Amino acid sequence: DIVLTQSPATLSVTPGESVSLSCRASQGISTSIHWYQQKSNESPRLLIKYASQSISGIPSRFSGSGSGTDFTLSINRVESEDFSVYYCQQSYSLPLTFGSGTKLEIK
Amino acid sequence: EVQLVESGGGLVQPGRSLKLSCAASGFTFSDYNMAWVRQAPKKGLEWVATISYDGSSTYYRDSVKGRFTISRDNAKSTLYLQMDSLRSEDTATYYCARLQLSTFAYWGQGTLVTVSS
Repeated sequence: DIVLTQSPATLSVTPGESVSLSCRASQGISTSIHWYQQKSNESPRLLIKYASQSISGIPSRFSGSGSGTDFTLSINRVESEDFSVYYCQQSYSLPLTFGSGTKLEIK
Repeated sequence: EVQLVESGGGLVQPGRSLKLSCAASGFTFSDYNMAWVRQAPKKGLEWVATISYDGSSTYYRDSVKGRFTISRDNAKSTLYLQMDSLRSEDTATYYCARLQLSTFAYWGQGTLVTVSS
């Protein structure tokens, strides 16, 4: 199975700061990585597909990069509604796997 | 608007069975692969099973193989998950999701399954 390691587990930031969340795969997966946001008591929402492709309706402050084993989700100038948990997911091979998540919290 | 509405969750004893349903609307159900993803309380996301658009192919994570069965009724725009021989470790919120190019593009609100005596 492909293991996705997300870091840090928790990130404390002030609104207006820009942040980067990391996801590292246990083997090369090209760009088969997707990012989701899950707010408290809500279902996950797709933010970025295939490492860097934008999703309709998602604010432009969210962007993704990376290929191979190292991937990054960037949020430019964090807003209050962005404080939630972020997961990466790989679709390179079965079983589909998720990272353990990064919680973005208010400092 | 894409809508996925799960139902069928509840409290069940270990070893018993439960069947989840997911009613889809707002899109042509028979055009899309579908999946179940679960989330144990206070834990992360875990893929459970996927079914192809026409039901001809199914895929499962190892821990549920032989116990869970994913199926669909395209005439009713409904996805199912039959869960047999349930274990305490199956306790989770189960989400129905529409797949799009291998991403979980749309999610339902989830249904909670609690396996306990």
